[in-house]
Amino acid sequence: EVHLVESGGALVQPGGSLTLACAASGFTFNTFWMSWVRQAPGKGLEWVANIKEDGTQKYYVDSVRGRFTIFRDNAKNSLLLQMNSLRPEDTAVYYCVRATDLQGWGQGTLVTVSS
Amino acid sequence: DIQMTQSPSTLSACVGDRVTITCRASQSIGSWLAWYQQKPGKAPKLLIYKASSLQSGVPSRFSGSGSGTEFTLTISCLQPDDFATYYCQQYNSYSLYSFGQGTKLE
Repeated sequence: EVHLVESGGALVQPGGSLTLACAASGFTFNTFWMSWVRQAPGKGLEWVANIKEDGTQKYYVDSVRGRFTIFRDNAKNSLLLQMNSLRPEDTAVYYCVRATDLQGWGQGTLVTVSS
Repeated sequence: DIQMTQSPSTLSACVGDRVTITCRASQSIGSWLAWYQQKPGKAPKLLIYKASSLQSGVPSRFSGSGSGTEFTLTISCLQPDDFATYYCQQYNSYSLYSFGQGTKLE
């Protein structure tokens, strides 16, 4: 069974940085593309980024390109999201999910950007 | 960018009704369309993938259809547990995924 657990969410000031992590289990992590998806309070779902199995291809939604970096550690079955220059509009619950087949939604981790 | 437009934004229905939600893509996405159910404070739950494939464990009253740019999610006989918000998502290319704005079923 696909199991994904997000962590690292916190309260951070505008302009600050934060790294989110997603621990994967129940499948062969290094054979799947992975995604980050977010949901601002009371709003809809927004795709954030995708990363290829070996980390050589990465894609981002326009609103985070240049500020966020998706990367992975296949030896540790871990997906990460480095977030820099955070803005109040980045406040959201962040989910990781298996991009190839959209399996494995966890409970997410909350990032709050506020002074 | 591929824009996903869901309709209606809100749908009022009763237990036992048959309801349909539509999702339109701004360009062809083949059958790379998924549907989710989300309840307040919970993560989205995958219902349908590849436009019409039922996710394991999802009741058969849920069904999906369509291809290209127009897709539908049908709930054949609404149950009390089905009142939630529903989202469509296109995943045609790894370079850009996108979601519809959601349909609240009340």
